[in-house]
Amino acid sequence: NAGVTQTPKFQVLKTGQSMTLQCAQDMNHNSMYWYRQDPGMGLRLIYYSASEGTTDKGEVPNGYNVSRLNKREFSLRLESAAPSQTSVYFCAISPRDRAGNTIYFGEGSWLTVV
Amino acid sequence: AQTVTQSQPEMSVQEAETVTLSCTYDTSESDYYLFWYKQPPSRQMILVIRQEAYKQQNATENRFSVNFQKAAKSFSLKISDSQLGDAAMYFCAYRSSYGNQFYFGTGTSLTVIP
Repeated sequence: NAGVTQTPKFQVLKTGQSMTLQCAQDMNHNSMYWYRQDPGMGLRLIYYSASEGTTDKGEVPNGYNVSRLNKREFSLRLESAAPSQTSVYFCAISPRDRAGNTIYFGEGSWLTVV
Repeated sequence: AQTVTQSQPEMSVQEAETVTLSCTYDTSESDYYLFWYKQPPSRQMILVIRQEAYKQQNATENRFSVNFQKAAKSFSLKISDSQLGDAAMYFCAYRSSYGNQFYFGTGTSLTVIP
């Protein structure tokens, strides 16, 4: 997973608390993504960013906000955490071209909301 | 949005035997890319193999090969000479040539029996 760094790796939150998951890349790719992984649900896209300054909603954006301030960093914010947001969160990156290049994932962030 | 379906939540195989994991997808596009990713217990996402839709020849990577049936929208993964290290969750994924999003199936958990 060299090239995509997520912090923190583990976090326990109380319901209603807020937090930000940070993601940074050193591969100079345009596209960045936030996914959540839940048992039996696979990987579901929360938000993605095709380039610096742009963001788009994915399949499950409710309860989340994102920020793409520069090409390297893409953060995911939970304003008021809920138990339903307990999940493993993955940041990912990909070149934005038509070569069909793969998507590279970070190591994941385990979030528990109690 | 495109959908990716993995109908086998769990599969098992004897060590040294061959196993095939199924994946189907729904799309109206003619140009796209398909991927298989492996996720071991460490949760790291590892690219196993990639297939370009415009190529008729099935992709092969050592013990891993695919059976790509474009008309049937089917993309199965064959693992030959299964090894204990192949035990993992396997995800099928689709990427359009025209967009940035990757769509993932719900995964197949593969157990390798010694």
